[in-house]
Amino acid sequence: DAKTTQPTSMDCAEGRAANLPCNHSTISGNEYVYWYRQIHSQGPQYIIHGLKNNETNEMASLIITEDRKSSTLILPHATLRDTAVYYCIVRARYNFNKFYFGSGTKLNVKP
Amino acid sequence: EPEVTQTPSHQVTQMGQEVILRCVPISNHLYFYWYRQILGQKVEFLVSFYNNEISEKSEIFDDQFSVERPDGSNFTLKIRSTKLEDSAMYFCASRDDRYYGYTFGSGTRLTVV
Repeated sequence: DAKTTQPTSMDCAEGRAANLPCNHSTISGNEYVYWYRQIHSQGPQYIIHGLKNNETNEMASLIITEDRKSSTLILPHATLRDTAVYYCIVRARYNFNKFYFGSGTKLNVKP
Repeated sequence: EPEVTQTPSHQVTQMGQEVILRCVPISNHLYFYWYRQILGQKVEFLVSFYNNEISEKSEIFDDQFSVERPDGSNFTLKIRSTKLEDSAMYFCASRDDRYYGYTFGSGTRLTVV
């Protein structure tokens, strides 16, 4: 599975959009981009995933560049409860086993 | 929304003792996983389980660890002889075969003293 690079931490004002970048320059054609988050010491929570098209669900939007070498997770109206570590993970489509969790980005949402 | 349930939420055990961590995956899920997170460190994969057998395990998952699905609802992780370095949060996860992400439980904090 391809490696990812994320900033260590980011701040965001409550109510504003949080844009979390992820670089995955070695991604291959059959690899998906997943985003999970971990609030304090809770279990990781699935947010969204995509292959090449932009995706949106009730939690967030995922924008993947045309060359697929980077992506951005967008939380449109961040709240204090969105303070968490956000993990960008690249995984092959038919790898049904492990996810590799890196260090992620600590998002601090401030009032 | 369906949940993965883990019990107990916190367990303290003496070094050398056996522990069993329990998980109830989501009922129609077929694939089961254990991960752990040592305090302040990354979430690490331990093992995946499908069709009553281990499908992949990490180098952490040595002979001291075992997993079992004793009935149709529970999925357990046993550590035979705990060491101090086994102290961590242990997360169970499950997924069905239609969906590529999975659902994690809230974890069991294991403290070995």
